[in-house]
Amino acid sequence: GAGVSQSPSNKVTEKGKDVELRCDPISGHTALYWYRQSLGQGLEFLIYFQGNSAPDKSGLPSDRFSAERTGGSVSTLTIQRTQQEDSAVYLCASSLYGGQFSSPLHFGNGTRLTVT
Amino acid sequence: DQQVKQNSPSLSVQEGRISILNCDYTNSMFDYFLWYKKYPAEGPTFLISISSIKDKNEDGRFTVFLNKSAKHLSLHIVPSQPGDSAVYFCAASAGRDMRFGAGTRLTVKP
Repeated sequence: GAGVSQSPSNKVTEKGKDVELRCDPISGHTALYWYRQSLGQGLEFLIYFQGNSAPDKSGLPSDRFSAERTGGSVSTLTIQRTQQEDSAVYLCASSLYGGQFSSPLHFGNGTRLTVT
Repeated sequence: DQQVKQNSPSLSVQEGRISILNCDYTNSMFDYFLWYKKYPAEGPTFLISISSIKDKNEDGRFTVFLNKSAKHLSLHIVPSQPGDSAVYFCAASAGRDMRFGAGTRLTVKP
């Protein structure tokens, strides 16, 4: 079976533009996470989806960031009015059972976002 | 607020020797700990984990040790191989809250 798929793999955008990042989780995985990794930093939690429950948005850095997960599968992360500090690798992960880390996260290859 | 810290950004080891990667955490609520390995241009991949009820978990060349009183865990790789060269992330979780360290870049020299 396919792993977690993210697109695009690279995105260069001008400051002030909106971008949309896509994540296809592993089929059957109920939990989906977005993280980002800025240069020299660890993985920063952004948002978590679990089944039909309300998402945990506690990691989103500002109201310019939003995410949705349609039909319990594909997720999109949208960044409005991008700023240079948004430049990072955005990683999506899914797991079979969210909240139980005997079920580890499976990561996609990430989207490298560069805001010029 | 870095709840998980990897204080060594890099480590270089000779092939065949032991690699020891260290990780410290501050939140005593963490009850599950994991190590992930990351190659360039790829997402992190799960390597090994340990729950807080154990102090050691071994899987082939990889062993993770947990010292709860010191809030410290380590990953031992024996013997190290050039293919182990990657960035290693330590992670700790309490329920669905998972925090990652900044990573340690391991280089294994032939």
